[in-house]
Amino acid sequence: GEDVEQSLFLSVREGDSSVINCTYTDSSSTYLYWYKQEPGAGLQLLTYIFSNMDMKQDQRLTVLLNKKDKHLSLRIADTQTGDSAIYFCAETFYGNNRLAFGKGNQVVVIP
Amino acid sequence: NAGVMQNPRHLVRRRGQEARLRCSPMKGHSHVYWYRQLPEEGLKFMVYLQKENIIDESGMPKERFSAEFPKEGPSILRIQQVVRGDSAAYFCASTDRGGQPQHFGDGTRLSIL
Repeated sequence: GEDVEQSLFLSVREGDSSVINCTYTDSSSTYLYWYKQEPGAGLQLLTYIFSNMDMKQDQRLTVLLNKKDKHLSLRIADTQTGDSAIYFCAETFYGNNRLAFGKGNQVVVIP
Repeated sequence: NAGVMQNPRHLVRRRGQEARLRCSPMKGHSHVYWYRQLPEEGLKFMVYLQKENIIDESGMPKERFSAEFPKEGPSILRIQQVVRGDSAAYFCASTDRGGQPQHFGDGTRLSIL
């Protein structure tokens, strides 16, 4: 199935690290993605990881993938007020190109 | 800005009218994907098109909804005889080929009165 689960809300102080979690149920996923959505805007692709990788780092962003537990996380280092948004994890599968999204995790950065 | 362009940004329709949503993919992209986002929800896949072909419409409601991506011009998502439940944000994404990361437009917010 294409169930992707995310926790709903996270508040974090500016300068701290924030970690957003996501679990998925389908082991046939190929790529896993993190998208950011600011109010009234579209989705901005932040980073993605191939399903045979464990970790990917891109500047302040670190993605960890635990295939055994089907768990994906996004760590944002030195969180800034501009990081306040809703973060969606998503996956694609072998044989098709559609993205399956979680419900999103709202991150609020407190100055 | 050569990003994915969607218009209109906001669309208001009365029940029973038709809604037409347009999406111009990024320059050089020939694959288009439509998604719907209901309030407080994540995005749900609707349809995947290449130029002049529907590749996957497994997420499209069976009635009232149709999509096209003609040889020339933008992709169109058409909703006939709209109902209140069609109120949502509709997002388009594009890629230059299948299996690549999808880049999204800013969406069309459809409100049904």
